[in-house]
Amino acid sequence: QKEVEQNSGPLSVPEGAIASLNCTYSDRGSQSFFWYRQYSGKSPELIMSIYSNGDKEDGRFTAQLNKASQYVSLLIRDSQPSDSATYLCAVNHSGNTPLVFGKGTRLSVIA
Amino acid sequence: ETGVTQTPRHLVMGMTNKKSLKCEQHLGHNAMYWYKQSAKKPLELMFVYNFKEQTENNSVPSRFSPECPNSSHLFLHLHTLQPEDSALYLCASSQETFSGTEAFFGQGTRLTVV
Repeated sequence: QKEVEQNSGPLSVPEGAIASLNCTYSDRGSQSFFWYRQYSGKSPELIMSIYSNGDKEDGRFTAQLNKASQYVSLLIRDSQPSDSATYLCAVNHSGNTPLVFGKGTRLSVIA
Repeated sequence: ETGVTQTPRHLVMGMTNKKSLKCEQHLGHNAMYWYKQSAKKPLELMFVYNFKEQTENNSVPSRFSPECPNSSHLFLHLHTLQPEDSALYLCASSQETFSGTEAFFGQGTRLTVV
């Protein structure tokens, strides 16, 4: 069974700090990786996608992918209280399969 | 606004009622999905349609019946639901199921079964 694993948290960081969210996946042939943010009671919102090894930066967000170790991470610099949400990792495994989501990590940024 | 619209946003129904959830996407995508998200639980994939054909049914009870008349519209017909079916129902779309592209979600329908 293809799996995506995340620590459920909560992960608490002080305002202005770097929040580091991690995700591992089981299918070595996976090609596409995504991070979604979900506020309580709302739907998931795509914030980052990454397809090749290395780092991808977008504003305060950096996604990191290491296919050899089968993990993908999301760094949030200068964390703000408005970043408090659940962050979902999603992986498009090889073959004709839809996205597989992790259970999400709840992030709390303390002012 | 993600280009995926769900109606209604909130629904309260009795266990003997029949209702339908509607999803419409304006992104030109060919794949559409229904997910269920219960309180404090992860997203559960229910159904997948690719080019109007159902490609996945994740052992969903028959009281949930999907319909995909075209690539832009997706319905979830509900009948004789149970209180444990109360959840946030999310529709999503992507270019195709196997292209590795991202999925975009609608705002969801908060369903309460009484």
